[in-house]
Amino acid sequence: GENVEQHPSTLSVQEGDSAVIKCTYSDSASNYFPWYKQELGKGPQLIIDIRSNVGEKKDQRIAVTLNKTAKHFSLHITETQPEDSAVYFCAASIYGNLFFGTGTRLTVIP
Amino acid sequence: EAEVAQSPRYKITEKSQAVAFWCDPISGHATLYWYRQILGQGPELLVQFQDESVVDDSQLPKDRFSAERLKGVDSTLKIQPAELGDSAMYLCASSPRQGLENGYTFGSGTRLTVV
Repeated sequence: GENVEQHPSTLSVQEGDSAVIKCTYSDSASNYFPWYKQELGKGPQLIIDIRSNVGEKKDQRIAVTLNKTAKHFSLHITETQPEDSAVYFCAASIYGNLFFGTGTRLTVIP
Repeated sequence: EAEVAQSPRYKITEKSQAVAFWCDPISGHATLYWYRQILGQGPELLVQFQDESVVDDSQLPKDRFSAERLKGVDSTLKIQPAELGDSAMYLCASSPRQGLENGYTFGSGTRLTVV
C-alpha cells in the first residue's frame, strides 16, 4: 500500500505567524490528497484537498501545494489563530483508499 | 449538514468481553469505512464496504474482529474477545459511489478503553 510520511510531529507558532506541515508519499499512482484537522475527542474534519492535476489550492488562510515529481505536498496556514490548535493529518488516496500520515500537533500560542 | 453517526461515544470494557460499535453513514453514501486510531497516530483502515459487500478487510484481525453492513446502510463492528491492545478510537467514515474525493466524511468516533 501507500506510505505517507508527515513532518513535523509537533509545531508551535506564535499567533499571527505561519505554519507549514509537509508530507511525502511513495506511490506515484496516488491522485488525491486531503488534509484533516482533528480536535480532541472528535473525528477528523476535511479542511482542504487537492487533486493530482493541480499544483496549488487556496481557501482563505489555508493553502496546499503538490509536487508530483518529488511526491510531496504541504499545508500552509497563514495568520494563525488559537483556534487553529489541533492535530493535522495529511492523506493520500490510491485505488479508492486513503492512507494517513502520523499527524502534526499544532499549538498556536496567543 | 449531513453527518456520520456513531455510537456509543465512549465504551469501557473488561478484557475478554465482547464489544460492539454502530455507524450510520450519510444517506446515500455507498461506501463505508471502519478505521482504528491509536492515540498519537493516524487512522488505519480496518474494513471497507461497498453497499453490503466487503471490498477490503485485509487489515482486520479476523480472529477477534467482525464487521457487517447487512442492508447496505448502517454497520456494526464487533470485537470478541477484547484485548488491552484494542484500546483506541474507532472511526467510521462514508463516501459517495462517485468516489471519496466527492465527499468523504468521518464520524466523531467511539473511544474504547479495555481494562
